[in-house]
Amino acid sequence: QLQLQESGPGLVKPSETLSLTCTVSGGSISSSNYNWDWIRQPPGKSLEWIGNIYDIGRTHYDPSLKSRVTISVDTSKNQFSLKLRSVTAADTAVYYCARHGSGSGSFVRAFDIWGQGTMVTVSS
Amino acid sequence: QSVLTQPPSASGTPGQRVTISCSGSSSNIGSDAVNWYQQLPGTAPKLLIYSNNQRSSGVPDRFSGSKSGTSASLAISGLQSEDEADYYCAAWDNSLNTWVFGGGTKLTVL
Repeated sequence: QLQLQESGPGLVKPSETLSLTCTVSGGSISSSNYNWDWIRQPPGKSLEWIGNIYDIGRTHYDPSLKSRVTISVDTSKNQFSLKLRSVTAADTAVYYCARHGSGSGSFVRAFDIWGQGTMVTVSS
Repeated sequence: QSVLTQPPSASGTPGQRVTISCSGSSSNIGSDAVNWYQQLPGTAPKLLIYSNNQRSSGVPDRFSGSKSGTSASLAISGLQSEDEADYYCAAWDNSLNTWVFGGGTKLTVL
């Protein structure tokens, strides 16, 4: 059974870079039928899509975050990562990694598997 | 302010049927499938409904989804105490070029 697990610092200083890793277990991250996404949820608020990586290296980012975000993949470790630069207090949130299918055939075009989430606080 | 509009709260008594609405526009719900997620307190969201009305694996048939034009709905029949959670709708927005979510509806079982 596929599982996702986020890891990284829980506290980041303003203007610095937030770095998180999502480790995929129970399946391969190399499947071309899935996209690997980052989604965040500020305290008490709704969900916000950050971006994803697919086809072993192609990326798509939310336009409002595009200038500050980089998502990368390490297939040898079955991991994908998020870097968010120049963070402010507005970036304080629970960060989730998730999988979503391509939508073709039986692959569900929705976020069907989620990590447990990791809280990141931006504060000096 | 979320792109998709949901009522902030809903409630019902055990056994009742509750409906949660999700309103969007032609660039999201009007042109793409809607997915629904359930988030129990302190946990990650869980996929409930995909492609407007398809239940995810293991989801009871008490949960159903529908879509008409630029609006969608999630219905829960035979309400149970364990259904108390936040519910979010989501769709791809081809104008904003991003996934958009509703603001979430907190369901209380009285």
